[in-house]
Amino acid sequence: SQQGEEDPQALSIQEGENATMNCSYKTSINNLQWYRQNSGRGLVHLILIRSNEREKHSGRLRVTLDTSKKSSSLLITASRAADTASYFCATALSGSARQLTFGSGTQLTVLP
Amino acid sequence: DGGITQSPKYLFRKEGQNVTLSCEQNLNHDAMYWYRQDPGQGLRLIYYSQIVNDFQKGDIAEGYSVSREKKESFPLTVTSAQKNPTAFYLCATHPDSSGNTIYFGEGSWLTVV
Repeated sequence: SQQGEEDPQALSIQEGENATMNCSYKTSINNLQWYRQNSGRGLVHLILIRSNEREKHSGRLRVTLDTSKKSSSLLITASRAADTASYFCATALSGSARQLTFGSGTQLTVLP
Repeated sequence: DGGITQSPKYLFRKEGQNVTLSCEQNLNHDAMYWYRQDPGQGLRLIYYSQIVNDFQKGDIAEGYSVSREKKESFPLTVTSAQKNPTAFYLCATHPDSSGNTIYFGEGSWLTVV
């Protein structure tokens, strides 16, 4: 079974609104990462948050991690049509990329 | 251009045929990975290699084979033993340094006809 599961599976918002995606996981992790995938393309790394961190920011992205609830959220502020993509969380059980497990993703559509 | 090159982008396979997907990188990364992605799904690890001449099975290795004769190259062969090969295949690399961030190629679509 997959370690990380995103919620919702699909999200549709208007340009300028904020988009929030959630990721839940089952076991203790070393870190959690968020990736973006445009349709038919490879994944692009967005942000990594370690198990001893609670919040990280990168531009319009804000990621939180609650290890007690085994959950993370990705907030995209002031969304743009170009943010339309699938967003995946990936959990790392250790320092090795071999232990990286991907969720099934949230499909975000930003309407102009 | 530095990066990861996957080819071909689109490939059609007849039932019973083996096909090979190419993955080349010039990032000087030690580790390379192959993932499979089915529509609307996450990624599943097929094979990975941490150094030249060594590779390990991932979660869904049955019906696939790989080689790692050069640091830059990690080709994936989808054999006739893979019963449901139609999918999007992603190659990735990892510098094997701090953190787990991995870098992806643009993917290859394989369709069985």
